[in-house]
Amino acid sequence: AQSVAQPEDQVNVAEGNPLTVKCTYSVSGNPYLFWYVQYPNRGLQFLLKYITGDNLVKGSYGFEAEFNKSQTSFHLKKPSALVSDSALYFCAVRDVGNTGKLIFGQGTTLQVKP
Amino acid sequence: ETGVTQSPTHLIKTRGQQVTLRCSSQSGHNTVSWYQQALGQGPQFIFQYYREEENGRGNFPPRFSGLQFPNYSSELNVNALELDDSALYLCASSPSGGALETQYFGPGTRLLVL
Repeated sequence: AQSVAQPEDQVNVAEGNPLTVKCTYSVSGNPYLFWYVQYPNRGLQFLLKYITGDNLVKGSYGFEAEFNKSQTSFHLKKPSALVSDSALYFCAVRDVGNTGKLIFGQGTTLQVKP
Repeated sequence: ETGVTQSPTHLIKTRGQQVTLRCSSQSGHNTVSWYQQALGQGPQFIFQYYREEENGRGNFPPRFSGLQFPNYSSELNVNALELDDSALYLCASSPSGGALETQYFGPGTRLLVL
């Protein structure tokens, strides 16, 4: 069965420092991976996705993610964090057997301090 | 903003009642997916509708049902509400039901069951 894991409940970084939010996946077949962000009392906003091709995927708001097949990871990164990046981040994988379904991780809260 | 709208924004019901939640998809999208997000959890897939037909279902009981209309808007109906149904209900639209498509989420409906 497909799954994703976000090993950190919370990540704290100082403004201006690089940030990484971790995600590992388990799938049979090709992984289709997504990152979303959720601000308080809001829906999910799409950041980026990996389907195939370059292992470094660039997305919205300066975020990027690195796909690593050997480590089955898809970590979200940003070179310089902003206080406004503070939010809840979800990694998701498409269910191969049920293509409409996204399988989400538990989420990681990112706290960027001034 | 994604162009996906949901109504109502908040709802309070009592156990045993029935509820209908509504979603309007983004222009040009013919697929709507519904998710339940319990407090502190990642979203869980309920089902997806593609061109008015159910196109996959998650592990939810039959009292969770849906409809999609010719204009591709959608309803989620929940009968015999239980306390555990209290959650944020998210709908997402996509251009088609394909595995590579990005799902764009609405702001959600927060349901409280007393």
